[in-house]
Amino acid sequence: TQLLEQSPQFLSIQEGENLTVYCNSSSVFSSLQWYRQEPGEGPVLLVTVVTGGEVKKLKRLTFQFGDARKDSSLHITAAQPGDTGLYLCAGGETSYDKVIFGPGTSLSVIP
Amino acid sequence: DVKVTQSSRYLVKRTGEKVFLECVQDMDHENMFWYRQDPGLGLRLIYFSYDVKMKEKGDIPEGYSVSREKKERFSLILESASTNQTSMYLCASSFRGPRSYEQYFGPGTRLTVT
Repeated sequence: TQLLEQSPQFLSIQEGENLTVYCNSSSVFSSLQWYRQEPGEGPVLLVTVVTGGEVKKLKRLTFQFGDARKDSSLHITAAQPGDTGLYLCAGGETSYDKVIFGPGTSLSVIP
Repeated sequence: DVKVTQSSRYLVKRTGEKVFLECVQDMDHENMFWYRQDPGLGLRLIYFSYDVKMKEKGDIPEGYSVSREKKERFSLILESASTNQTSMYLCASSFRGPRSYEQYFGPGTRLTVT
């Protein structure tokens, strides 16, 4: 069974700080997705990484896929209160288009 | 933009009632999913469907059933609601094929069973 772990579980930082959250597995994934979920809302897809070593940038967010395609990281530069939310990583299972979700990192950015 | 809508944002039902949650997507996605999300347990897959009238059990199907009569619509049914089914219910959809892992979620239904 494929599993995804995320760290840290909770993170509280001041506005303007940088941070990195991690998504790890012992399994290889064909791709990994990152989602952000705001309180009381559904997750919103941010990015998909497919190739080992791939780096994608979305404004102040930088996503990296590990060379072995078993892990990923999300780095946020100069965090803002609008970045507050639950960050979920997800990876595709091998059958039926199902996705495995990590437990998430809950980020709080304090003004 | 992909739009996934859910029939209710908040719902309060009594134990033993039959509950219908409906999800509609407008992107012609083949796959549709129902999850529940609970603190400390993350997102758990209840059922999914990869085509009209097709359904597959997810990780926690007990106490739930689903219906997919049209491609754009996927319903979750709680036959006899119980208090342990109080949760946030999320519907999602995706294409089949290489982009199948990119799921698009609705806003969620916060269900309380009393």
